[in-house]
Amino acid sequence: AQKITQTQPGMFVQEKEAVTLDCTYDTSDPSYGLFWYKQPSSGEMIFLIYQGSYDQQNATEGRYSLNFQKARKSANLVISASQLGDSAMYFCAMRPPDQGGKLIFGQGTELSVKP
Amino acid sequence: GAVVSQHPSWVICKSGTSVKIECRSLDFQATTMFWYRQFPKQSLMLMATSNEGSKATYEQGVEKDKFLINHASLTLSTLTVTSAHPEDSSFYICSARGPNYEQYFGPGTRLTVT
Repeated sequence: AQKITQTQPGMFVQEKEAVTLDCTYDTSDPSYGLFWYKQPSSGEMIFLIYQGSYDQQNATEGRYSLNFQKARKSANLVISASQLGDSAMYFCAMRPPDQGGKLIFGQGTELSVKP
Repeated sequence: GAVVSQHPSWVICKSGTSVKIECRSLDFQATTMFWYRQFPKQSLMLMATSNEGSKATYEQGVEKDKFLINHASLTLSTLTVTSAHPEDSSFYICSARGPNYEQYFGPGTRLTVT
């Protein structure tokens, strides 16, 4: 069975510092997609970054990068130069193959950026 | 980018009544939409996959007779919570599947049953 695990319920980071949010996954399928979403208090789900299981390089999008370690089945999100607006819930998600594109979400990590 | 809307953004209803939530893809056609439920400080739980022109596929443990899903067009899916009870109070989020199997999320609907 596929599963996504985020072991950090809450994280604090100082403004302008970098922070890593952990995500591990479990699947026996060789083909899958990994996503990170940000959910501010307003509730909207904001797509941050995507990593395909066959992608050779780690994905990057601006201040966001995904540290993909396939053998360890981890897909940690790194946010560089944290900003106060980065305070939000962050969800890691996996898209298994052949299931119509549905996503399996982790428990989430609440990030608080301190000024 | 692709835009998905939900209506209403929040609703309060009395116990025993039904409430309908709409999910629309505004600038693309979506043969597949997804409905999620989220309790405070918790993750998104997939309730069902809505397929245009066919019956929805419900996840295990989700009552299909309580959460009615209709996907009558390529841009609209509706979720009707029938005979709502206070325990149905939650944040309901829909998403629409794009051509590359990416998901575009709506802004969510906050349901409160009194």
